Amino acid sequence: DAGVIQSPRHEVTEMGQEVTLRCKPISGHNSLFWYRQTMMRGLELLIYFNNNVPIDDSGMPEDRFSAKMPNASFSTLKIQPSEPRDSAVYFCASSLGGGSQETQYFGPGTRLLVL
Amino acid sequence: DQQVKQNSPSLSVQEGRISILNCDYTNSMFDYFLWYKKYPAEGPTFLISISSIKDKNEDGRFTVFLNKSAKHLSLHIVPSQPGDSAVYFCAARPLGYQLIWGAGTKLIIKP
Repeated sequence: DAGVIQSPRHEVTEMGQEVTLRCKPISGHNSLFWYRQTMMRGLELLIYFNNNVPIDDSGMPEDRFSAKMPNASFSTLKIQPSEPRDSAVYFCASSLGGGSQETQYFGPGTRLLVL
Repeated sequence: DQQVKQNSPSLSVQEGRISILNCDYTNSMFDYFLWYKKYPAEGPTFLISISSIKDKNEDGRFTVFLNKSAKHLSLHIVPSQPGDSAVYFCAARPLGYQLIWGAGTKLIIKP
């Protein structure tokens, strides 16, 4: 199994530009998570999908952030317009179910730098 | 307000000795606790977990201890090996909700 795939691995953009991060979960997993990691705040859950439906988006920082999961094998996290404070590593993770004890499998992350 | 705290940003341990990583939490409704390990340029990977009904769980060199009265969780690695050098995240789950993560502790194993 290829594991969770994220693209791009690195992204450098200028303030005000749109950024789209992509994720392919592990085949057969029906829960998908987007996280952001910063030095100041550690790992923060942004949004959680179960069976392609957003269940909890309370971690999405503001309206500039949006996430979609059009099918079971693909999700995007979009930032528009991007700001320097959005610079972070963004992780996608998937799990077999949405139960509270399901192990989450993480992708390698996308390192975003907004200048 | 951080509900899961890892107060040591880094820890240095001699190879072969015991590594003890600590985690404190504030919410008594957490029912499940996990440790994840993260190498540079990789995503976190699951290491070990413990349910709130237990006080200890062991898996090879890794043991997690839970002290509910103190709201304290610790991960013991014995003996420590160079490959254990990584960032370790503590995470906790309120029943029915998703994980809340600590900020991580960077463990450095010295040869």
